[in-house]
Amino acid sequence: AQSVAQPEDQVNVAEGNPLTVKCTYSVSGNPYLFWYVQYPNRGLQFLLKYITGDNLVKGSYGFEAEFNKSQTSFHLKKPSALVSDSALYFCAVLNSGGYQKVTFGTGTKLQVIP
Amino acid sequence: EAQVTQNPRYLITVTGKKLTVTCSQNMNHEYMSWYRQDPGLGLRQIYYSMNVEVTDKGDVPEGYKVSRKEKRNFPLILESPSPNQTSLYFCASSLGRSLNTEAFFGQGTRLTVV
Repeated sequence: AQSVAQPEDQVNVAEGNPLTVKCTYSVSGNPYLFWYVQYPNRGLQFLLKYITGDNLVKGSYGFEAEFNKSQTSFHLKKPSALVSDSALYFCAVLNSGGYQKVTFGTGTKLQVIP
Repeated sequence: EAQVTQNPRYLITVTGKKLTVTCSQNMNHEYMSWYRQDPGLGLRQIYYSMNVEVTDKGDVPEGYKVSRKEKRNFPLILESPSPNQTSLYFCASSLGRSLNTEAFFGQGTRLTVV
């Protein structure tokens, strides 16, 4: 069975500092990996995805994520955090081999402190 | 505007009273799915549909039904709701065929079963 782990329930970072939100996964075969963001009282919004190719993926709002196959990780990063980045972030994985289910992590609340 | 529309946004009901949460997308997406979001558990997939008349169980299908008679609509049916189905529900759609496309989410339906 595939799974996603987001080991931190909450990450606090000062505005202007770099941020990292961690994600590790387990899947048979090659993974498709996604990051989504959820603002209060809203649905999830797509940020970025890794399908194949470069391990560093760039997405919306200045976010990027690094795929590391040996560590089975897909950490979300941003060089300089904004207060408006404060939200709930979800990592998701699905198996590229045709298994149709998407598995989400439990979410990490990012708090950017002014 | 491309969107996934869920109705209602908020619903309070009593145990055992059948209810339907509607979901509609205007992007001609093949793949649609339902999730529930619970604190500490993240998003868990309830049911998904690869196309019209093609549906399958996700990770937590018990107590739910779905149907996909038209491509744009994917209603979630609770035949006999129970308090443990109190949750925040999201409908999502994606292009689906290649499985590596991002999902578009509705705004969510907050259901309370008393």
